[in-house]
Amino acid sequence: DGGITQSPKYLFRKEGQNVTLSCEQNLNHDAMYWYRQDPGQGLRLIYYSQIVNDFQKGDIAEGYSVSREKKESFPLTVTSAQKNPTAFYLCASSVRPGGTQYFGPGTRLLVL
Amino acid sequence: AQSVTQLGSHVSVSEGALVLLRCNYSSSVPPYLFWYVQYPNQGLQLLLKYTSAATLVKGINGFEAEFKKSETSFHLTKPSAHMSDAAEYFCAVSDQDTDKLIFGTGTRLQVFP
Repeated sequence: DGGITQSPKYLFRKEGQNVTLSCEQNLNHDAMYWYRQDPGQGLRLIYYSQIVNDFQKGDIAEGYSVSREKKESFPLTVTSAQKNPTAFYLCASSVRPGGTQYFGPGTRLLVL
Repeated sequence: AQSVTQLGSHVSVSEGALVLLRCNYSSSVPPYLFWYVQYPNQGLQLLLKYTSAATLVKGINGFEAEFKKSETSFHLTKPSAHMSDAAEYFCAVSDQDTDKLIFGTGTRLQVFP
């Protein structure tokens, strides 16, 4: 089955800890995206990548980092600099930049 | 820059009633427009998309949306609501300058028996 997978479904972060959220796609899409979702605020773009080995900051990149070493993978690291990380994180991909985006099932990050 | 406004953060309808969820976009140039649905604790699922081929777009689960350039609107409708339609719905517009999707803040649909 083709699609986008995110893991884990739930993730707990301790004070001062970096955590990494996984996003994998087997759709052969060039572009991949990370969004943060908070209640009542819709989706906000954290980082996006239009092609392997390249990525750009979105609207709320501070406290986050990404890599795009393989076409199918776009992991997101939430660093200790992100002071309010509790949110639902969604990964998406599209055939090309600006194309229809397809979403993974999401990861909920909680702070202990 | 593009923006999108969804009027009404919550909409409640009775089962069998008409569903109307409103979306207005900011640009005078016909953009690409999308409606997505999100069930609790899940990702977003594409309902339908407008790409200038036709102003009335039919999607999955009996939903459709009509693009009206003069009103800069792309409202989502369904003639008869089902209990399973209860979810959050997001309108999005593609910004052709940045290749990003701009999302509205969402409308939560409740369906009462």
